[in-house]
Amino acid sequence: DAMVIQNPRYQVTQFGKPVTLSCSQTLNHNVMYWYQQKSSQAPKLLFHYYDKDFNNEADTPDNFQSRRPNTSFCFLDIRSPGLGDAAMYLCATSRPSRGKRETQYFGPGTRLLVL
Amino acid sequence: ILNVEQSPQSLHVQEGDSTNFTCSFPSSNFYALHWYRWETAKSPEALFVMTLNGDEKKKGRISATLNTKEGYSYLYIKGSQPEDSATYLCAFSGFLNYGGSQGNLIFGKGTKLSVKP
Repeated sequence: DAMVIQNPRYQVTQFGKPVTLSCSQTLNHNVMYWYQQKSSQAPKLLFHYYDKDFNNEADTPDNFQSRRPNTSFCFLDIRSPGLGDAAMYLCATSRPSRGKRETQYFGPGTRLLVL
Repeated sequence: ILNVEQSPQSLHVQEGDSTNFTCSFPSSNFYALHWYRWETAKSPEALFVMTLNGDEKKKGRISATLNTKEGYSYLYIKGSQPEDSATYLCAFSGFLNYGGSQGNLIFGKGTKLSVKP
């Protein structure tokens, strides 16, 4: 089945130690998104790629970076994780029509714990 | 600042009960309203995308209505079953370039539904 895969499902890192979260998709969608969801909060968009074009949300901290080496894969890099970065990180994909956003397809998320 | 509100925050019902919850969103520059179901340890799953005022969508025992003029959507579940237990998220998208959001989804915090057998 076509799907969005996130690895790992749980990630433990140390304060200040760089960490990378992975997302892959078999849907061949050209847009990939990264969301952060902290406890009891709404999922919040960090950034997205439209093909190779990177779009950062204005309030996304510089500590968060992303890479998309090809259509199928997208990575979220946290350069120096702080305790406040502990959250669920969701990856999603979509194939917009007529330049507008349509349904997004989500992976199961990676829960990040920072010690 | 665009804000999407969902109520109630959580809901506990008995199997067989019917239930509904609310999503409130900005009524200007509306493009689409999305509903997702998110079961524990699974991926959020799209239920409905609604674009027109007065839209009603149905999928099995779940239905949704949309009022874009007043900025709200209701999700109804008829005869709740334990497998309906999940967090239900709604998300708003505006036209491109509205508030700098470029049509991206803005989510509410969700309504967590628990259905007891």
